[in-house]
Amino acid sequence: NAGVTQTPKFQVLKTGQSMTLQCAQDMNHNSMYWYRQDPGMGLRLIYYSASEGTTDKGEVPNGYNVSRLNKREFSLRLESAAPSQTSVYFCASSYRGAQSYEQYFGPGTRLTVT
Amino acid sequence: GDSVTQMEGPVTLSEEAFLTINCTYTATGYPSLFWYVQYPGEGLQLLLKATKADDKGSNKGFEATYRKETTSFHLEKGSVQVSDSAVYFCALRDNYGQNFVFGPGTRLSVLP
Repeated sequence: NAGVTQTPKFQVLKTGQSMTLQCAQDMNHNSMYWYRQDPGMGLRLIYYSASEGTTDKGEVPNGYNVSRLNKREFSLRLESAAPSQTSVYFCASSYRGAQSYEQYFGPGTRLTVT
Repeated sequence: GDSVTQMEGPVTLSEEAFLTINCTYTATGYPSLFWYVQYPGEGLQLLLKATKADDKGSNKGFEATYRKETTSFHLEKGSVQVSDSAVYFCALRDNYGQNFVFGPGTRLSVLP
């Protein structure tokens, strides 16, 4: 059981380049999330998808777009990367609707923008 | 809005010492409470959880009790090991099962 997988694990971009971070889960979860983690800032929610076909902005959505491709896959796109987007990005998933359900996290993508 | 507060880190302990990491929350209704652990270079893993008042979550020697009267969910372990060195996050899921809210994390270093 793979859980939540993310690709790539590492990426270096130049300012202005674009890229898509991929996330997939095999636990039949309804909800998926993208976070960024910066030193001293904890986790900040970028976007989430409560269910297939819906997406909503989180705390820090500027500079990002998302696509919920199907129930399994949720991608994060940087259209024009900026040095401020250097961070570690985590995808997570969970069942929807019941407060007792926890989130499951992927291993992260470490992105550097120069 | 809902929020989670954790004690400032880093916390440095000697092996076999007693660990407490404080966590308090602000939320309406009856959220579920979680502790996650993040080892270097990895994603967050669920350590334990509690879904109602007075529940005790436990795993790998760690324990935390859901205290509604003090809105707290403190993490404890009786004897830490070097392998427990990690960042620990307290989190809640709101009463409606929608939003997750994370604390800022507490870095623990255990010295041999």
